[in-house]
Amino acid sequence: EDQVTQSPEALRLQEGESSSLNCSYTVSGLRGLFWYRQDPGKGPEFLFTLYSAGEEKEKERLKATLTKKESFLHITAPKPEDSATYLCAVQALTGANSKLTFGKGITLSVRP
Amino acid sequence: DAGVTQSPTHLIKTRGQQVTLRCSPKSGHDTVSWYQQALGQGPQFIFQYYEEEERQRGNFPDRFSGHQFPNYSSELNVNALLLGDSALYLCASSNRQGRTNGYTFGSGTRLTVV
Repeated sequence: EDQVTQSPEALRLQEGESSSLNCSYTVSGLRGLFWYRQDPGKGPEFLFTLYSAGEEKEKERLKATLTKKESFLHITAPKPEDSATYLCAVQALTGANSKLTFGKGITLSVRP
Repeated sequence: DAGVTQSPTHLIKTRGQQVTLRCSPKSGHDTVSWYQQALGQGPQFIFQYYEEEERQRGNFPDRFSGHQFPNYSSELNVNALLLGDSALYLCASSNRQGRTNGYTFGSGTRLTVV
Protein backbone atom coordinates (compact mmCIF):
# COMPACT_ATOMS: atom_id res chain seq x y z
CA GLU A 1 0.00 0.00 0.00
CA ASP A 2 1.26 3.46 -0.91
CA GLN A 3 2.35 5.57 2.07
CA VAL A 4 3.40 9.19 2.57
CA THR A 5 4.92 10.59 5.78
CA GLN A 6 5.57 14.29 6.20
CA SER A 7 7.79 15.91 8.82
CA PRO A 8 7.78 17.91 10.93
CA GLU A 9 4.04 18.17 11.65
CA ALA A 10 4.38 21.90 12.30
CA LEU A 11 7.12 24.44 11.70
CA ARG A 12 7.43 28.00 12.97
CA LEU A 13 9.92 30.27 11.23
CA GLN A 14 10.96 33.86 11.52
CA GLU A 15 10.56 35.88 8.34
CA GLY A 16 13.69 35.35 6.25
CA GLU A 17 14.67 32.11 8.03
CA SER A 18 15.09 29.42 5.35
CA SER A 19 14.14 25.80 6.02
CA SER A 20 13.06 22.51 4.42
CA LEU A 21 9.95 20.35 4.65
CA ASN A 22 10.33 16.59 4.25
CA CYS A 23 8.12 14.05 2.50
CA SER A 24 9.06 10.36 2.70
CA TYR A 25 7.15 7.92 0.51
CA THR A 26 6.73 4.30 -0.48
CA VAL A 27 4.88 3.52 -3.69
CA SER A 28 4.66 0.61 -6.10
CA GLY A 29 6.18 2.50 -9.01
CA LEU A 30 6.04 6.29 -8.96
CA ARG A 31 4.10 8.12 -11.65
CA GLY A 32 4.47 11.48 -9.93
CA LEU A 33 4.99 13.24 -6.60
CA PHE A 34 2.90 16.34 -5.98
CA TRP A 35 3.21 19.29 -3.64
CA TYR A 36 0.15 21.35 -2.78
CA ARG A 37 -0.43 24.39 -0.59
CA GLN A 38 -3.64 24.57 1.44
CA ASP A 39 -4.96 27.63 3.24
CA PRO A 40 -7.46 27.17 6.11
CA GLY A 41 -10.93 26.18 4.86
CA LYS A 42 -9.76 26.07 1.22
CA GLY A 43 -8.96 23.34 -1.26
CA PRO A 44 -5.35 22.37 -2.04
CA GLU A 45 -3.57 24.62 -4.56
CA PHE A 46 -1.16 22.89 -6.94
CA LEU A 47 2.53 23.81 -6.60
CA PHE A 48 4.73 21.19 -8.30
CA THR A 49 4.85 17.74 -9.87
CA LEU A 50 8.10 15.76 -9.83
CA TYR A 51 8.40 12.63 -11.94
CA SER A 52 11.86 11.15 -11.47
CA ALA A 53 14.72 11.10 -8.96
CA GLY A 54 17.05 14.04 -9.36
CA GLU A 55 14.36 16.34 -10.72
CA GLU A 56 14.04 19.84 -9.23
CA LYS A 57 11.44 22.57 -9.74
CA GLU A 58 11.32 26.15 -8.49
CA LYS A 59 8.63 28.76 -8.04
CA GLU A 60 9.41 32.05 -6.33
CA ARG A 61 10.77 31.19 -2.83
CA LEU A 62 9.96 27.47 -3.17
CA LYS A 63 12.13 24.68 -4.58
CA ALA A 64 11.09 21.03 -4.68
CA THR A 65 13.52 18.14 -5.06
CA LEU A 66 13.03 14.38 -5.42
CA THR A 67 15.00 11.24 -4.58
CA LYS A 68 13.89 7.60 -4.80
CA LYS A 69 12.60 7.69 -1.21
CA GLU A 70 11.81 11.29 -0.34
CA SER A 71 11.11 14.80 -1.51
CA PHE A 72 12.05 18.11 0.03
CA LEU A 73 10.31 21.45 -0.26
CA HIS A 74 12.91 24.13 0.42
CA ILE A 75 11.64 27.57 1.43
CA THR A 76 14.14 30.39 0.99
CA ALA A 77 13.68 33.64 2.94
CA PRO A 78 10.00 32.95 3.73
CA LYS A 79 7.44 35.71 4.19
CA PRO A 80 4.32 35.69 6.41
CA GLU A 81 2.17 35.06 3.32
CA ASP A 82 3.90 31.68 2.94
CA SER A 83 2.08 30.53 6.09
CA ALA A 84 -0.13 27.57 5.10
CA THR A 85 -0.32 23.78 5.25
CA TYR A 86 1.88 22.06 2.67
CA LEU A 87 0.66 18.69 1.43
CA CYS A 88 2.70 16.03 -0.34
CA ALA A 89 1.02 13.30 -2.42
CA VAL A 90 2.14 10.40 -4.61
CA GLN A 91 0.51 8.85 -7.62
CA ALA A 92 1.33 5.25 -8.52
CA LEU A 93 1.87 3.87 -12.02
CA THR A 94 -1.23 1.66 -11.73
CA GLY A 95 -3.42 2.94 -14.55
CA ALA A 96 -4.11 6.36 -15.99
CA ASN A 97 -5.07 9.10 -13.55
CA SER A 98 -4.74 6.80 -10.53
CA LYS A 99 -5.57 8.18 -7.11
CA LEU A 100 -3.38 10.52 -5.08
CA THR A 101 -2.19 9.29 -1.67
CA PHE A 102 -1.58 12.24 0.65
CA GLY A 103 0.47 12.79 3.77
CA LYS A 104 -1.02 14.60 6.76
CA GLY A 105 0.58 17.87 5.79
CA ILE A 106 3.03 20.28 7.43
CA THR A 107 1.63 23.48 8.96
CA LEU A 108 4.04 26.33 8.37
CA SER A 109 3.82 29.59 10.33
CA VAL A 110 6.07 32.49 9.38
CA ARG A 111 6.33 35.30 11.93
CA PRO A 112 7.06 38.86 10.75
CA ASP B 1 -11.57 30.21 -17.02
CA ALA B 2 -13.54 28.71 -14.13
CA GLY B 3 -11.77 26.17 -12.02
CA VAL B 4 -13.50 23.41 -10.08
CA THR B 5 -16.81 24.53 -8.58
CA GLN B 6 -18.37 22.80 -5.58
CA SER B 7 -21.72 23.34 -3.92
CA PRO B 8 -22.84 23.95 -1.29
CA THR B 9 -19.90 25.46 0.60
CA HIS B 10 -21.23 24.51 4.02
CA LEU B 11 -23.84 22.02 5.18
CA ILE B 12 -25.18 20.85 8.52
CA LYS B 13 -27.02 17.52 8.70
CA THR B 14 -28.39 15.27 11.43
CA ARG B 15 -27.18 11.72 12.05
CA GLY B 16 -29.02 9.23 9.85
CA GLN B 17 -29.85 11.75 7.14
CA GLN B 18 -28.66 11.65 3.54
CA VAL B 19 -26.63 14.33 1.74
CA THR B 20 -25.73 15.17 -1.86
CA LEU B 21 -22.70 17.24 -2.78
CA ARG B 22 -22.08 18.63 -6.26
CA CYS B 23 -19.01 19.33 -8.39
CA SER B 24 -18.40 20.95 -11.78
CA PRO B 25 -14.95 20.15 -13.16
CA LYS B 26 -12.50 22.59 -14.69
CA SER B 27 -13.12 23.32 -18.37
CA GLY B 28 -11.44 20.67 -20.52
CA HIS B 29 -11.33 18.07 -17.74
CA ASP B 30 -13.28 14.81 -18.02
CA THR B 31 -12.36 12.94 -14.82
CA VAL B 32 -13.65 13.73 -11.34
CA SER B 33 -12.29 12.40 -8.06
CA TRP B 34 -13.69 12.89 -4.57
CA TYR B 35 -11.66 13.14 -1.38
CA GLN B 36 -12.57 13.39 2.31
CA GLN B 37 -10.39 15.53 4.55
CA ALA B 38 -10.89 15.28 8.29
CA LEU B 39 -9.59 18.08 10.50
CA GLY B 40 -5.81 17.97 10.76
CA GLN B 41 -5.49 15.14 8.23
CA GLY B 42 -4.56 14.87 4.57
CA PRO B 43 -7.25 14.20 1.97
CA GLN B 44 -8.38 10.55 1.66
CA PHE B 45 -9.46 9.20 -1.74
CA ILE B 46 -13.13 8.17 -1.95
CA PHE B 47 -13.65 7.33 -5.65
CA GLN B 48 -13.10 8.51 -9.20
CA TYR B 49 -15.52 8.85 -12.13
CA TYR B 50 -14.73 8.81 -15.82
CA GLU B 51 -17.17 8.32 -18.72
CA GLU B 52 -20.01 8.21 -16.18
CA GLU B 53 -18.59 5.12 -14.46
CA GLU B 54 -16.82 4.59 -11.15
CA ARG B 55 -13.26 3.67 -12.12
CA GLN B 56 -11.46 3.49 -8.78
CA ARG B 57 -12.61 3.34 -5.19
CA GLY B 58 -10.86 3.95 -1.89
CA ASN B 59 -11.57 2.29 1.43
CA PHE B 60 -15.01 3.80 2.05
CA PRO B 61 -18.27 1.96 2.81
CA ASP B 62 -21.15 1.58 0.37
CA ARG B 63 -22.93 4.46 2.12
CA PHE B 64 -20.75 6.63 -0.11
CA SER B 65 -21.91 6.61 -3.72
CA GLY B 66 -21.55 8.88 -6.69
CA HIS B 67 -22.59 9.75 -10.16
CA GLN B 68 -21.13 11.50 -13.18
CA PHE B 69 -23.28 13.23 -15.77
CA PRO B 70 -22.70 13.56 -19.55
CA ASN B 71 -21.37 17.12 -19.02
CA TYR B 72 -18.69 15.63 -16.67
CA SER B 73 -20.17 17.16 -13.52
CA SER B 74 -20.48 14.84 -10.55
CA GLU B 75 -22.39 14.20 -7.34
CA LEU B 76 -21.30 12.55 -4.11
CA ASN B 77 -24.06 10.97 -2.03
CA VAL B 78 -23.68 9.84 1.56
CA ASN B 79 -26.47 7.84 3.21
CA ALA B 80 -27.12 7.18 6.91
CA LEU B 81 -24.78 9.94 8.04
CA LEU B 82 -22.53 9.32 11.04
CA LEU B 83 -20.84 11.89 13.26
CA GLY B 84 -17.53 10.67 11.82
CA ASP B 85 -18.58 11.78 8.35
CA SER B 86 -18.02 15.39 9.40
CA ALA B 87 -15.21 16.64 7.17
CA LEU B 88 -14.23 18.81 4.22
CA TYR B 89 -15.23 17.04 1.00
CA LEU B 90 -13.01 17.93 -1.92
CA CYS B 91 -13.61 17.42 -5.61
CA ALA B 92 -10.64 17.22 -7.97
CA SER B 93 -10.74 17.17 -11.74
CA SER B 94 -8.22 16.09 -14.35
CA ASN B 95 -7.90 15.16 -18.01
CA ARG B 96 -7.52 11.41 -18.42
CA GLN B 97 -5.63 11.61 -21.67
CA GLY B 98 -3.08 14.20 -20.64
CA ARG B 99 -0.04 13.55 -18.48
CA THR B 100 -1.12 14.38 -15.00
CA ASN B 101 0.15 17.82 -14.08
CA GLY B 102 -1.63 18.29 -10.81
CA TYR B 103 -5.24 17.54 -10.18
CA THR B 104 -7.22 20.78 -9.81
CA PHE B 105 -9.13 20.91 -6.54
CA GLY B 106 -12.24 22.84 -5.64
CA SER B 107 -12.63 24.78 -2.40
CA GLY B 108 -14.63 21.95 -0.89
CA THR B 109 -17.89 21.44 0.97
CA ARG B 110 -17.67 21.56 4.76
CA LEU B 111 -20.11 18.93 6.09
CA THR B 112 -21.01 18.93 9.76
CA VAL B 113 -23.07 16.03 11.13
CA VAL B 114 -24.77 16.69 14.47
